[in-house]
Amino acid sequence: EADIYQTPRYLVIGTGKKITLECSQTMGHDKMYWYQQDPGMELHLIHYSYGVNSTEKGDLSSESTVSRIRTEHFPLTLESARPSHTSQYLCASTSFGGYTFGSGTRLTVV
Amino acid sequence: QKEVEQNSGPLSVPEGAIASLNCTYSDRVSQSFFWYRQYSGKSPELIMSIYSNGDKEDGRFTAQLNKASQYVSLLIRDSQPSDSATYLCAVRDDKIIFGKGTRLHILP
Repeated sequence: EADIYQTPRYLVIGTGKKITLECSQTMGHDKMYWYQQDPGMELHLIHYSYGVNSTEKGDLSSESTVSRIRTEHFPLTLESARPSHTSQYLCASTSFGGYTFGSGTRLTVV
Repeated sequence: QKEVEQNSGPLSVPEGAIASLNCTYSDRVSQSFFWYRQYSGKSPELIMSIYSNGDKEDGRFTAQLNKASQYVSLLIRDSQPSDSATYLCAVRDDKIIFGKGTRLHILP
């Protein structure tokens, strides 16, 4: 049973708003990741963390930021949302082996 | 640049037949290989992991790995309409590199 949770599942917000997408896992995984995926398109890694106080940018340039203050929590923040940020955001975690994904947050910026 | 290559499809297979999905990767030192299934609008779900050369079977699924040829495949026996999805090949060295996925369509 995958114990990685993302909230909210769906979010519609106005341009210029600040938002935080939440991701929490109860598996004690040290490594966590954020991916962005448009419908029918490939996954793009935007941020990752190998442990508390460790964060790195991924392969896709993103205007978002992340923090990792607790092992189980890896929130993603957009300071000023734009329509180009409309996408699905997927959080994943692992200790070794494959990643376990959360259910995702579908973000629409109007 | 490490790469994982998959045919984007769609691959159409009659119900009850064997679906064969293929993947090649560029990094010879990769040690871990995965297949994910992703239904439209959902997140990827890990269905198979394989770490050594040869075949690994789990129910209707068989993963095959050939490190010398840098090739990994997924066979789905007795294909069902519920198998219709996008299948992502993934290869792990440091981080996991995902392929772009193959869309599989099982024809009733």
